[in-house]
Amino acid sequence: LAKTTQPISMDSYEGQEVNITCSHNNIATNDYITWYQQFPSQGPRFIIQGYKTKVTNEVASLFIPADRKSSTLSLPRVSLSDTAVYYCLVGAPIYNQGGKLIFGQGTELSVKP
Amino acid sequence: KAGVTQTPRYLIKTRGQQVTLSCSPISGHRSVSWYQQTPGQGLQFLFEYFSETQRNKGNFPGRFSGRQFSNSRSEMNVSTLELGDSALYLCASSLGQGAGDTQYFGPGTRLTVL
Repeated sequence: LAKTTQPISMDSYEGQEVNITCSHNNIATNDYITWYQQFPSQGPRFIIQGYKTKVTNEVASLFIPADRKSSTLSLPRVSLSDTAVYYCLVGAPIYNQGGKLIFGQGTELSVKP
Repeated sequence: KAGVTQTPRYLIKTRGQQVTLSCSPISGHRSVSWYQQTPGQGLQFLFEYFSETQRNKGNFPGRFSGRQFSNSRSEMNVSTLELGDSALYLCASSLGQGAGDTQYFGPGTRLTVL
């Protein structure tokens, strides 16, 4: 499983776009990049997953450069309710990992009014 | 589609007791994984079940066990509870096959051991 590095914390203000970058230099060919969001005392919530280039859904965008050694989660126009911990995970399809996801420390995003 | 559900949401037990937690996966998902989350250790994988068989196991003592039923619902059991077992226990379900498959988590069960 590729090791990931992401900032421990970030601050932002309501209405701003937030970009959280994750570094994964040892990503393997069949690895996917997945982001989760977690609020205190709740289960992680799946945000977005991608393999290459750009993926967009109703919540966020995921930018993956051609070398796939990093990825950037983009949250448009954040609000106070986006204050949470964001985890970047890199790995093979979950069934290839025996159902095991490895979570790092995550990025604690604080959105201020 | 209904999400992953876990019961109970909160539980208080005393040392030495045992506890059983329940998880109902998303309809159609055949894989259920369990995780323990504590402030000190973060999210740690306990085990995964697929089609009633344990496919993978994390590094936890034998006091932690689980099972999966034919309808994919899963239970985990912790025997002889210790203070350090106080944690948020999360279950996650996935299809268990296919490229791009990923896990969806339930709200968790908050276990407090006194």
